Amino acid sequence: DAKTTQPPSMDCAEGRAANLPCNHSTISGNEYVYWYRQIHSQGPQYIIHGLKNNETNEMASLIITEDRKSSTLILPHATLRDTAVYYCIVSYGNKLVFGAGTILRVKS
Amino acid sequence: SAVISQKPSRDICQRGTSLTIQCQVDSQVTMMFWYRQQPGQSLTLIATANQGSEATYESGFVIDKFPISRPNLTFSTLTVSNMSPEDSSIYLCSVVDLAKNIQYFGAGTRLSVL
Repeated sequence: DAKTTQPPSMDCAEGRAANLPCNHSTISGNEYVYWYRQIHSQGPQYIIHGLKNNETNEMASLIITEDRKSSTLILPHATLRDTAVYYCIVSYGNKLVFGAGTILRVKS
Repeated sequence: SAVISQKPSRDICQRGTSLTIQCQVDSQVTMMFWYRQQPGQSLTLIATANQGSEATYESGFVIDKFPISRPNLTFSTLTVSNMSPEDSSIYLCSVVDLAKNIQYFGAGTRLSVL
């Protein structure tokens, strides 16, 4: 079973920041938090991952709480093309257990 | 990131037949996986494709139904055997970039079984 809990869906206005939460209260010390997204049933696209520290790349920012029991993926300026299913996964890096994810709908 | 090519991209098959899906990577990778995504569902790991040895299957998946080959570090195949309509799914391969600790996915093979 997936070790994460995400809201089933969220809406975001185009141009605004999208903040997607994830709870992972049973995360182990050596497990990373990964975020992927899947658009129109294409293959999942890697977004970002982190262990303890906050991370930022060209796509998004990842904020991990100090106790590591939850995290937030931030898309700073959401566009219509960001509409997708977003998966939060905790893993040591090999086997990925996908939950149901969050359907993010970006609206104009 | 690794470039992963899957063939075919989609197929429509008759029940009772078998389909072999190919996964080609543009670089040598140690770890390669096969996933299934049933309609409206999330991804489920089928097996780990091990180079030079038998694949390691997850609970609920067996070698007779989903035989896997991994002849080298850039290529793997998944066969869906004796298909039934319940096998209609998207099948995806993935590889791990160990240096970056990131798993990358192919575009998937959309299989419909009539």
